[in-house]
Amino acid sequence: DGGITQSPKYLFRKEGQNVTLSCEQNLNHDAMYWYRQDPGQGLRLIYYSQIVNDFQKGDIAEGYSVSREKKESFPLTVTSAQKNPTAFYLCASSPKWNTEAFFGQGTRLTVV
Amino acid sequence: AQSVTQPDIHITVSEGASLELRCNYSYGATPYLFWYVQSPGQGLQLLLKYFSGDTLVQGIKGFEAEFKRSQSSFNLRKPSVHWSDAAEYFCAVGPPGSSNTGKLIFGQGTTLQVKP
Repeated sequence: DGGITQSPKYLFRKEGQNVTLSCEQNLNHDAMYWYRQDPGQGLRLIYYSQIVNDFQKGDIAEGYSVSREKKESFPLTVTSAQKNPTAFYLCASSPKWNTEAFFGQGTRLTVV
Repeated sequence: AQSVTQPDIHITVSEGASLELRCNYSYGATPYLFWYVQSPGQGLQLLLKYFSGDTLVQGIKGFEAEFKRSQSSFNLRKPSVHWSDAAEYFCAVGPPGSSNTGKLIFGQGTTLQVKP
């Protein structure tokens, strides 16, 4: 089945450690996105990529980094510079000429 | 500034009653408009979308939404709510045209509770 796979579903890390969240899609979509969700704040865009080897900052990129070495993969690294990393992270993808986005099931990151 | 407002944080309706969730947006031009639904701990599922044309849009699960340009609104409706509709609903807008691909602005969400 085609879709977007995020792993792991739950992730626990100690404060000060970098952590990488995985996002893989087999929909052959060109664009991929990372959103952060906090209670009562909706979703906010962290980074997005429209083609391989290219990505742009979203509204809340500070403390995060990404790479796009393959069309299918768009991993997100939450660095120690992110002040409040505990949140629910959602990955999405969309075809090049259509703004309808498809979402993965999310990763809940808890930093203790 | 571009923004999406969902005025109702929580809504409770009885099963079988009608539902309307409100969404207002601020945008330079008429954006692409979306409604997504999210069950607890899950990703988002697209209910319906508006790009252009008929302002009354039909979606999945019996939902519909009406785009009103004069009011900058895109309200979601369902004539008869089922217990399984309990979830969080998000309105989102995206830049019109084909030059962008899903860079969305989301509202804060409305949590729907359904009473038996």
